[in-house]
Amino acid sequence: AQSVAQPEDQVNVAEGNPLTVKCTYSVSGNPYLFWYVQYPNRGLQFLLKYITGDNLVKGSYGFEAEFNKSQTSFHLKKPSALVSDSALYFCAVRDMAGANNLFFGTGTRLTVIP
Amino acid sequence: GAVVSQHPSRVICKSGTSVKIECRSLDFQATTMFWYRQFPKKSLMLMATSNEGSKATYEQGVEKDKFLINHASLTLSTLTVTSAHPEDSSFYICSARGGMSSYNEQFFGPGTRLTVL
Repeated sequence: AQSVAQPEDQVNVAEGNPLTVKCTYSVSGNPYLFWYVQYPNRGLQFLLKYITGDNLVKGSYGFEAEFNKSQTSFHLKKPSALVSDSALYFCAVRDMAGANNLFFGTGTRLTVIP
Repeated sequence: GAVVSQHPSRVICKSGTSVKIECRSLDFQATTMFWYRQFPKKSLMLMATSNEGSKATYEQGVEKDKFLINHASLTLSTLTVTSAHPEDSSFYICSARGGMSSYNEQFFGPGTRLTVL
């Protein structure tokens, strides 16, 4: 069975400070991991993904995420937060062994304080 | 990236009526489309998966007679909420994937806010 956990419902960070949004996963095979961002009343926008290769993945808008197999984590990071980064962030996983769809975490609301 | 559109973006209807939501892939052929439901402050819940020309596969607990899904062409899927009730009020998001590989990327529509009075 696949699952994704985002332990924090809300993350607040001051503008200009680094941000981290946490994600841990559970899959039976090798994971295929994603981060999406959702702005109010909008669909999901793709930020980045990990399939194989370098554990540090760089994505859109200056975001990056680090795949850690031993800790089964895929935390989203950005060195310097912008107020415009305030949104709802979803981590998602697909089991490369055969699942046809993405399983999403419950989301983390990021608020960047000016 | 590829573009997926949904129509309408917002709909309000009376209890007992049916509502149809369209999902279109604008610049690619979507062999597989997914319908999700998002509750306030909750994650996306997969409702069903449909392949073009085939019957949709519904997730456990989703009533297929209530949420009718049609994927008649490679660029269009529709979700019809039949005999809608207030508890069906939600944000419905479709997603589309092209090609034959299940590892291809999914692209998401902007969502449809359904309010049933």
